[in-house]
Amino acid sequence: DAGITQSPRHKVTETGTPVTLRCHQTENHRYMYWYRQDPGHGLRLIHYSYGVKDTDKGEVSDGYSVSRSKTEDFLLTLESATSSQTSVYFCAISSGTGVITEAFFGQGTRLTVV
Amino acid sequence: GENVEQHPSTLSVQEGDSAVIKCTYSDSASNYFPWYKQELGKRPQLIIDIRSNVGEKKDQRIAVTLNKTAKHFSLHITETQPEDSAVYFCAVEIYFGTGTSLTVIP
Repeated sequence: DAGITQSPRHKVTETGTPVTLRCHQTENHRYMYWYRQDPGHGLRLIHYSYGVKDTDKGEVSDGYSVSRSKTEDFLLTLESATSSQTSVYFCAISSGTGVITEAFFGQGTRLTVV
Repeated sequence: GENVEQHPSTLSVQEGDSAVIKCTYSDSASNYFPWYKQELGKRPQLIIDIRSNVGEKKDQRIAVTLNKTAKHFSLHITETQPEDSAVYFCAVEIYFGTGTSLTVIP
């Protein structure tokens, strides 16, 4: 498996609190992504990054922000958690220079907002 | 972003039969079309991919076909086995379909 670690693996938080999920990779891959997985919706792209300090919005970015200050770390922040953000969050990485290649996924983070 | 539609959402087949999953997309400039398998409680993992300069690709019991003109591509699994039971996702570049839950009945 590619060296990609998500933390925490599980989290329960209260509505209105900020939450940060961390994705750490040891592969030195350029591209990193955050997805959420919900029944009936598949994997939806939240934000992605093509390099340090180079991020962009995905399909469902409202209520989320990201930061990438180092190649190996990609942080996802829920600024004020809502129950609709209860989900399983996956980080993914891919290599490639100018072309999209296979994505390797982390183990996922199960977030529950109560 | 890309609009990826995937059908069917659920699929049940008898062991040994074939399974076909279809996806359509909207952006004709897209060039990379991977398929991922996700077993229960696990992370998605790539099983096969195809690029726009190729019409078909096979890997043992798995094949993918691509029709760029019609903007659709399909996953074919032959001689299905119980261990093929999983959720399958198509993707276009970095955008995913909604998934197909495949059950292979022994």
